[in-house]
Amino acid sequence: GQQVMQIPQYQHVQEGEDFTTYCNSSTTLSNIQWYKQRPGGHPVFLIQLVKSGEVKKQKRLTFQFGEAKKNSSLHITATQTTDVGTYFCAGPRAAGNKLTFGGGTRVLVKP
Amino acid sequence: NAGVTQTPKFQVLKTGQSMTLQCAQDMNHEYMSWYRQDPGMGLRLIHYSVGAGITDQGEVPNGYNVSRSTTEDFPLRLLSAAPSQTSVYFCASRRQAQMNTEAFFGQGTRLTVV
Repeated sequence: GQQVMQIPQYQHVQEGEDFTTYCNSSTTLSNIQWYKQRPGGHPVFLIQLVKSGEVKKQKRLTFQFGEAKKNSSLHITATQTTDVGTYFCAGPRAAGNKLTFGGGTRVLVKP
Repeated sequence: NAGVTQTPKFQVLKTGQSMTLQCAQDMNHEYMSWYRQDPGMGLRLIHYSVGAGITDQGEVPNGYNVSRSTTEDFPLRLLSAAPSQTSVYFCASRRQAQMNTEAFFGQGTRLTVV
């Protein structure tokens, strides 16, 4: 079945540095969503990408959808302690109304 | 707006006990779902519902039952709890049973089975 993989699983970042997390699907996706979960919290929707090659920005966060619509990335510039948490990508299963989540990238920020 | 409300927040069960995790949403969303979250495994879909009276299985349905008698409520029943069901459970709803709508999550239920 369709799988969504995220790398890296963990990311230790020095405050002020940039980093990127990647999401790869075994099948073409109609769209991809990104969520953020703060420690001890619940996932919160960040953004959705629909078009091939689409790039969207939210302040220091840049999201990109691959040309083949099988991968996506989240780039954070000038990381802050407020960026701590786990970032998930999620894509729909082709067969039905199921949203498949990647394993997440857990981000730890060193002040 | 309350959004998606889950109860209880924490629960400890003994092996073999049964219980129901409650989930309610006040956004008139068609679609509701249950996920479990385990370390390193992301969120795995247990069951989902595209509307009142309609439910279907997700990736890991064994040991769980659901029903959807109203639009607002989507309870998850553990029939006979096992230690492997120790996890954090999230209920989520979406406005429509379509992939281009965002999911709203409840606060989660942390379940421990001893």
